[in-house]
Amino acid sequence: DARVTQTPRHKVTEMGQEVTMRCQPILGHNTVFWYRQTMMQGLELLAYFRNRAPLDDSGMPKDRFSAEMPDATLATLKIQPSEPRDSAVYFCASALTAPYGYTFGSGTRLTVV
Amino acid sequence: GIQVEQSPPDLILQEGANSTLRCNFSDSVNNLQWFHQNPWGQLINLFYIPSGTKQNGRLSATTVATERYSLLYISSSQTTDSGVYFCAVEGASAGGTSYGKLTFGQGTILTVHP
Repeated sequence: DARVTQTPRHKVTEMGQEVTMRCQPILGHNTVFWYRQTMMQGLELLAYFRNRAPLDDSGMPKDRFSAEMPDATLATLKIQPSEPRDSAVYFCASALTAPYGYTFGSGTRLTVV
Repeated sequence: GIQVEQSPPDLILQEGANSTLRCNFSDSVNNLQWFHQNPWGQLINLFYIPSGTKQNGRLSATTVATERYSLLYISSSQTTDSGVYFCAVEGASAGGTSYGKLTFGQGTILTVHP
């Protein structure tokens, strides 16, 4: 089965450190999404790309978060500097052509201490 | 932005029982999807159903777009159905194009006991 691959699966870091999360979308999917899941806020869209171009990152705190797609096989989400309130599960998803084939990765569980 | 409300928030069933989960949304949509998050955290796409009815095995879904709600039916529930069920929508754009930009409800936590 085709899958979206996220690394790392778990990350514990100290406040102030830089964190980079990576996502390999399903080959041929042209849309990539980053979501964050917390108990309080649920699942929230942070940013998304179509054909590697950023379409919307209004859900992301711009001062510390950045999302890029350097090539069709890699999307990255970076937090610098990280804060305890960033602790959450970060999901990447890709779609063939939205809304079809919407597939989530297994997530990166981030803990900032 | 569009609001999504799911009910009930929690549901406990005995294996073999049937259930109906509801999703209400506040505006017109061109994209509605149901997802299941299993106890290990994996999100699985169940249905893309902006309108009409679909069935996949013991699961079926119906969306009545004009009345702004969707229902997910689970028949003959099994312990493996446990987890959180999310409804997610994308508000309708002027040109009808979907970008996949989903707003999620808070989910229904389903527990199925053997």
